[in-house]
Amino acid sequence: EPEVTQTPSHQVTQMGQEVILRCVPISNHLYFYWYRQILGQKVEFLVSFYNNEISEKSEIFDDQFSVERPDGSNFTLKIRSTKLEDSAMYFCASSPYGGGNQPQHFGDGTRLSIL
Amino acid sequence: DAKTTQPPSMDCAEGRAANLPCNHSTISGNEYVYWYRQIHSQGPQYIIHGLKNNETNEMASLIITEDRKSSTLILPHATLRDTAVYYCIVEETSGSRLTFGEGTQLTVNP
Repeated sequence: EPEVTQTPSHQVTQMGQEVILRCVPISNHLYFYWYRQILGQKVEFLVSFYNNEISEKSEIFDDQFSVERPDGSNFTLKIRSTKLEDSAMYFCASSPYGGGNQPQHFGDGTRLSIL
Repeated sequence: DAKTTQPPSMDCAEGRAANLPCNHSTISGNEYVYWYRQIHSQGPQYIIHGLKNNETNEMASLIITEDRKSSTLILPHATLRDTAVYYCIVEETSGSRLTFGEGTQLTVNP
């Protein structure tokens, strides 16, 4: 069964450094998403992306965050200058289309640890 | 904020049916009910979704009341591997985000 894959599984970065989290969505899906989960807290929506542009973003997704689909298979989340509070699990998801009758399928996440 | 209410925890004996309830009294006509689960810190796993009819797939059944204000996820023969946090989510009409609440911690006991 096709799945969303994320790399790396664990990323350790110094505060203030840039980090890029990578995702390969399911191949025929057109909508892509990032979510995060701080340890012990709820899964939170960050951003959705369609047709090479952001379709929706949350208040968490500020100027320090950006997303890109650099080629036909990868979808990336960049954090420009990491803070301690960015430490979390980051999940990528994809769906065939957006909204309505279209389940999102999640990867197993990247654990980001900021030192 | 999540638009659903779920019990924080439930227990179930292995091999028995697990029935997980969810209230979504403010659901609007074009919103779907989705169920996901999360095992440890793995990514949320899609289980099933529905609009107004009952649905069944290889993992579970979803029963939605006629007024659509509540639903029940049924795992017909729970196994130890079904121990997880189960999330009932009503999809936002304004966009594509999923809003996760606290979910129900289901523990399947041997």
